[in-house]
Amino acid sequence: KQEVTQIPAALSVPEGENLVLNCSFTDSAIYNLQWFRQDPGKGLTSLLLIQSSQREQTSGRLNASLDKSSGRSTLYIAASQPGDSATYLCAGRLQGGSEKLVFGKGTKLTVNP
Amino acid sequence: SAVISQKPSRDICQRGTSLTIQCQVDSQVTMMFWYRQQPGQSLTLIATANQGSEATYESGFVIDKFPISRPNLTFSTLTVSNMSPEDSSIYLCSVEDWRRQRETQYFGPGTRLLVL
Repeated sequence: KQEVTQIPAALSVPEGENLVLNCSFTDSAIYNLQWFRQDPGKGLTSLLLIQSSQREQTSGRLNASLDKSSGRSTLYIAASQPGDSATYLCAGRLQGGSEKLVFGKGTKLTVNP
Repeated sequence: SAVISQKPSRDICQRGTSLTIQCQVDSQVTMMFWYRQQPGQSLTLIATANQGSEATYESGFVIDKFPISRPNLTFSTLTVSNMSPEDSSIYLCSVEDWRRQRETQYFGPGTRLLVL
C-alpha cells in the first residue's frame, strides 16, 4: 500500500529565502508524482507533474525533483514571496494504470514579509 | 486547465439528514473523482465516477452512504447520506483531462460541510 509522507508539517520563512519541501513515498513503483498548492477555502491548484521517467520539472520559481530509488520528491521554491503562503501537497500515482492518487498531509508554508 | 465549480461551497447540516453536492466542469471529461479531506488529514479518494457506468468506490466507502450520479460528461453529484458529525469534512470534485495536460488532475474549490 502506497503511503506518502510530507515533512515538515509546517514551515515559516522570511521573504526572499529559498526553501525545500520534502515528500517521501513507500512504493518505488510510482507512475508519476504531482505537487499541488491549497489556499484556505479553495481547492487544489496543480503546480507540477513529474513522470516516473523524469527526474525533475520546472515552472517559474518552482522546481520539483523525483528520485524513485530513494522514494523521495522535493519541491524547491526560489526567492519565496508572501503570496507563496499556502499548504503544499504531494500526491503519487502507482504504476499499472491506476488513476488513484495517494496524497500526503501537506506542508503549511508561511512566508513572512 | 479545466475549470470546475461546486455547489454548495459550504453548508451546516443536522445529523441524520442528507446533502447533495454538485460538480460542474467547463468541458467534457471522461473521469471524475470525489475526495474527502477531513480536518488535519490528507485527501482520501471516495470514488471514481465515469459517465455511463456505476461509480467505483474505494475501501471504506459504500454506495448507500455516498451515492454518486454521473449523467453526462460535464456533471456529477455526490450525496452524503444520513449524516453524522464524523462526516464533517471538505468534499472535493476532481477531473483528469488528458486532452489538456496528460494525467494532470484538476480540483474544484471544495464543499465545506459541518454536521451538528
